[in-house]
Amino acid sequence: TQLLEQSPQFLSIQEGENLTVYCNSSSVFSSLQWYRQEPGEGPVLLVTVVTGGEVKKLKRLTFQFGDARKDSSLHITAAQPGDTGLYLCAGSFYNYGQNFVFGPGTRLSVLP
Amino acid sequence: DAMVIQNPRYQVTQFGKPVTLSCSQTLNHNVMYWYQQKSSQAPKLLFHYYDKDFNNEADTPDNFQSRRPNTSFCFLDIRSPGLGDAAMYLCATSRDKGWEKLFFGSGTQLSVL
Repeated sequence: TQLLEQSPQFLSIQEGENLTVYCNSSSVFSSLQWYRQEPGEGPVLLVTVVTGGEVKKLKRLTFQFGDARKDSSLHITAAQPGDTGLYLCAGSFYNYGQNFVFGPGTRLSVLP
Repeated sequence: DAMVIQNPRYQVTQFGKPVTLSCSQTLNHNVMYWYQQKSSQAPKLLFHYYDKDFNNEADTPDNFQSRRPNTSFCFLDIRSPGLGDAAMYLCATSRDKGWEKLFFGSGTQLSVL
């Protein structure tokens, strides 16, 4: 049973378009992180969210944490080819120790 | 400068031939993790060390072992690699457990022939 689900699994868009990817679970997150992974590299942390309803912005990226702390979204405005990569959410759960569990990821391709 | 270093970047081994992957860190972090990531899948935690305390995930096969001789180094030993063990192996560190940021190395891509 997968604790985290991400959608869509794959996304291919043109440069300049906006997009949103989602991460959700049937369990309440104690905290949630978003990572971006480029081919042949390890994931790099983008943001950590802890408080329900929290919104964080990182340049063209906007992260939202659901009020119930069971879901999160990542919105990218005016996507660029440099945004191409695998976007992973990782959640920690109250009843699952303190280690982060990763979702399967959304593979984003931004075409010039 | 790289803070979590994994060697080698690419490793080829033969079916059943033991292989060791290495990870070193310059962050002086307490926790070191090993993740397995197969193509188009999520990184899966194999085990982690909190200082010298070893914590194995329940579904990690016995074929996988780990050693942490000191704070800076951690090794992943695969005693008898099978074809299904071909994957990217990621080492990560964190200052402490819980809501801490994970710092990942670049990974070792393991091929099993």
